[in-house]
Amino acid sequence: AQSVAQPEDQVNVAEGNPLTVKCTYSVSGNPYLFWYVQYPNRGLQFLLKYITGDNLVKGSYGFEAEFNKSQTSFHLKKPSALVSDSALYFCAVRVPPSGGYNKLIFGAGTRLAVHP
Amino acid sequence: GAVVSQHPSRVICKSGTSVKIECRSLDFQATTMFWYRQFPKQSLMLMATSNEGSKATYEQGVEKDKFLINHASLTLSTLTVTSAHPEDSSFYICSARGSVVHNEQFFGPGTRLTVL
Repeated sequence: AQSVAQPEDQVNVAEGNPLTVKCTYSVSGNPYLFWYVQYPNRGLQFLLKYITGDNLVKGSYGFEAEFNKSQTSFHLKKPSALVSDSALYFCAVRVPPSGGYNKLIFGAGTRLAVHP
Repeated sequence: GAVVSQHPSRVICKSGTSVKIECRSLDFQATTMFWYRQFPKQSLMLMATSNEGSKATYEQGVEKDKFLINHASLTLSTLTVTSAHPEDSSFYICSARGSVVHNEQFFGPGTRLTVL
């Protein structure tokens, strides 16, 4: 079955420190992987995606993610966290079309709290 | 570019009434639109997928007579929650996907529905 796991409910980081938000996946075939961020009472904002090519993907707001096929992981990283990065982060995988539609399956989400 | 809007952003209604939520792609034509539901502190659950001019494809466990989806044009989809009950209270998020240039999903800001 296709699935996405985010093992941490919450990650706490001091401002200026590097941050990592973990994601592992289980899909058949080549994965299309995504990271989204959600601020309170808002929809999701796209951060970055991996389709093919370089394993290190750079995205919005200084975030990057590393695709690791052997570990089936796609961890989100940022070298220096900002208080404004505090939000809910979702990892997602696009599954093969069923009935003609590509679908996204989301992880449970990880709340990132960056402390001054 | 690739902006998706939702209206209303927040709605409170009485039990037994019906509520319509609109999702619009503002600067691109959305061949496919998705409707998600998000419970507090939980991930997004896909409710249904629709193509313009076609009937929606509902996920398992989602009542299609309860959650009516209309995708009448390439820029507008509506979700109607019929005979709403308090358990329908949730955060509803739509996303839109175009073709070729806008092949990934872009999310609306969400609609908070509270049924009294």
